[in-house]
Amino acid sequence: AQTVTQSQPEMSVQEAETVTLSCTYDTSESNYYLFWYKQPPSRQMILVIRQEAYKQQNATENRFSVNFQKAAKSFSLKISDSQLGDTAMYFCAFIRYNNNDMRFGAGTRLTVKP
Amino acid sequence: EAGVAQSPRYKIIEKRQSVAFWCNPISGHATLYWYQQILGQGPKLLIQFQNNGVVDDSQLPKDRFSAERLKGVDSTLKIQPAKLEDSAVYLCASSLGPGLTGRETQYFGPGTRLLVL
Repeated sequence: AQTVTQSQPEMSVQEAETVTLSCTYDTSESNYYLFWYKQPPSRQMILVIRQEAYKQQNATENRFSVNFQKAAKSFSLKISDSQLGDTAMYFCAFIRYNNNDMRFGAGTRLTVKP
Repeated sequence: EAGVAQSPRYKIIEKRQSVAFWCNPISGHATLYWYQQILGQGPKLLIQFQNNGVVDDSQLPKDRFSAERLKGVDSTLKIQPAKLEDSAVYLCASSLGPGLTGRETQYFGPGTRLLVL
């Protein structure tokens, strides 16, 4: 079974600084996708970034980038130049290729301090 | 573009009562998902529809949960009878395509927070 582990329940960072959120996963599959979702307080969950396992290049979306280590089954999210609006729960998620069931980690609560 | 709509936003019921949640996906989205998010955990998929057909309901507790998506648009999730452990946020999401690959982006609604007393 696929499992996703986020070992940091809570983190905080000063505005304008950089923070890295950790995620590890367990799978025997070779083709899959990994995601980071953001869930702001009382607001919808939105997709932050997506990584396809067959791509070696790490995905980047503006201030958000990932460090994808396939052999280590690690998928961390780096947020640069943190902003107050980045305060949210962040979920790491995994889905096998051609499969319906997206598995989420327990989440990391990130607080950006002014 | 309007997002995924859900109602009600909050619901408090007594155990053994029934409750229903409604979801209206983004217009034109073929695939609709219902997730259960228990406090302190990530969302867990309950059921997935493609148009008005069920694709996957393997994690839906069918003795008490039911869901339908009439005409392939709106969907309703029902719990009857509710148990204390059903207290959670119920999230609806939709995606444009069949959702069988990770290329499809799922768009989430605001959720319905259920408290069972």
